[in-house]
Amino acid sequence: AQSVTQLGSHVSVSEGALVLLRCNYSSSVPPYLFWYVQYPNQGLQLLLKYTSAATLVKGINGFEAEFKKSETSFHLTKPSAHMSDAAEYFCAVRSSSGSARQLTFGSGTQLTVLP
Amino acid sequence: SAVISQKPSRDICQRGTSLTIQCQVDSQVTMMFWYRQQPGQSLTLIATANQGSEATYESGFVIDKFPISRPNLTFSTLTVSNMSPEDSSIYLCSVVGLGISYEQYFGPGTRLTVT
Repeated sequence: AQSVTQLGSHVSVSEGALVLLRCNYSSSVPPYLFWYVQYPNQGLQLLLKYTSAATLVKGINGFEAEFKKSETSFHLTKPSAHMSDAAEYFCAVRSSSGSARQLTFGSGTQLTVLP
Repeated sequence: SAVISQKPSRDICQRGTSLTIQCQVDSQVTMMFWYRQQPGQSLTLIATANQGSEATYESGFVIDKFPISRPNLTFSTLTVSNMSPEDSSIYLCSVVGLGISYEQYFGPGTRLTVT
C-alpha cells in the first residue's frame, strides 16, 4: 500500500519569497514520486519527477524537489515565488514495482502568492 | 509527451440525464485512465480504460454508473449516467507515457455541474 500526505492545504507566500510545499509518502517498495500543478480551470501539468536517479530533481518553472529516503519526504521548493505560481499543487506516488494505475495523489496544497 | 484533448470542456446537466465525455490523444498509448476531482478535493481514479476489453473499475465505481469505451489506442469515452448533484466534479482523462517511470499526462478536464 502507498499513501501521500501533503502538510498544509493552503500556503501563502510573498512574491520573491521562498516556496516550500511539503510532501511525505508511505510505500513498501522504492517509490516513484511526482509533483503536479493545476492552474485554475485547467488540467494537471507535471512539474517534476523522481525515479531513483538523482535525489535532487529539477523541474519546470524553477521548481525543484529533494527525495529524502530517511525522512520519507519529497518537498517542493522554489527560491523566489512569482505571482504566476499561484495554483494547486499535488504530490503523487507510484510504486516502482506496481502497475501504472497505482498512482496515488495527495490532497493538494493551494499556493497563494501575495504582492 | 502526449497531448490530450477532452470534450466538452464543461457542461451543466439536469438530474437523471447522462453525459458522455470524450478523450482524444495525439499518439497511441497503451494505458488510459479516468479520474474524478470533486470540488476542493484531490484526484480519485475511476477506472482504467482497456483497449479491446472491459474497463477495470476501482472500488466504489461501477460500470452501470460510469460506462467506458476504448475503441482504439487514441480515444476513449466516459459516460456519467443517471446523474445527481453529487456527480458534479471535474473529470480528467489521463495517459501513461513511455519509459520506466510511467509518467502520466492529463487532459484539461471536463467540468460537470448537475442541477
